[in-house]
Amino acid sequence: GQNIDQPTEMTATEGAIVQINCTYQTSGFNGLFWYQQHAGEAPTFLSYNVLDGLEEKGRFSSFLSRSKGYSYLLLKELQMKDSASYLCAVSFPGDKIIFGKGTRLHILP
Amino acid sequence: DGGITQSPKYLFRKEGQNVTLSCEQNLNHDAMYWYRQDPGQGLRLIYYSQIVNDFQKGDIAEGYSVSREKKESFPLTVTSAQKNPTAFYLCASGGLEGGWTGELFFGEGSRLTVL
Repeated sequence: GQNIDQPTEMTATEGAIVQINCTYQTSGFNGLFWYQQHAGEAPTFLSYNVLDGLEEKGRFSSFLSRSKGYSYLLLKELQMKDSASYLCAVSFPGDKIIFGKGTRLHILP
Repeated sequence: DGGITQSPKYLFRKEGQNVTLSCEQNLNHDAMYWYRQDPGQGLRLIYYSQIVNDFQKGDIAEGYSVSREKKESFPLTVTSAQKNPTAFYLCASGGLEGGWTGELFFGEGSRLTVL
C-alpha cells in the first residue's frame, strides 16, 4: 500500500517547539520529503531524507526511521510566519512521488 | 532565470469542454509531475513522466490526459470525462541525475473552475 498518514491540524505557541509526525505503509520506499505550503501558494521544499536519522537545517529538522515507516518534522522557535500546511511525501521506484493530506499548523501569539 | 511556468493562472470552463493547462520548465529536469489539490486537502498525483515520450498514470488519472513530446513541456488536458474538475492544479519537475537533492520545483499553479 501507499498510505501516508499525518495529523490534520495542530496548534502551537509562538516561540515554542512543535513536532509533526508522518507514518507511511509502503514497500519499495526510496525517500521522504517535507514541504511547506502557505494558503493559495505552491509548496516549498524543506527536506529530503533517504537514510535513517536526523537532518537539521536551521530551525527545521527532519527525522526518518525506515524500519518503522516513520518520520517527523521538528520546528523550533516558532514564528507567526510558520503558520502553514506541512506536507509529507514519499518517493517510490520509478520516481513516483505521493503526498499525504498535510497538517495545518496554527501558531498562536 | 531558471524555473517552471504554468499557464493560465485562472481558467473558467463550461461543463462538457476540454481544457489544456500548460507547464514549461527550463531547469533541464527529466521528471515532471501533475498534481491536483482540493480545498483543505493534500496533493493527489494525476500523471508523471520520467523521460520524453513516456509517462505514467498516477492515482487519479481518469478524465485527464498528458503528453511529453519535449523535455521542457508537460501539458495536462482536463477532459469532459472528469466528473469534478474544479480544483487547483500544480505542475512540478525534478532532476533524476546523480546528486538530486530530492527537491521538486513547483509552478505557481492553475486554478480551474467549471461553471
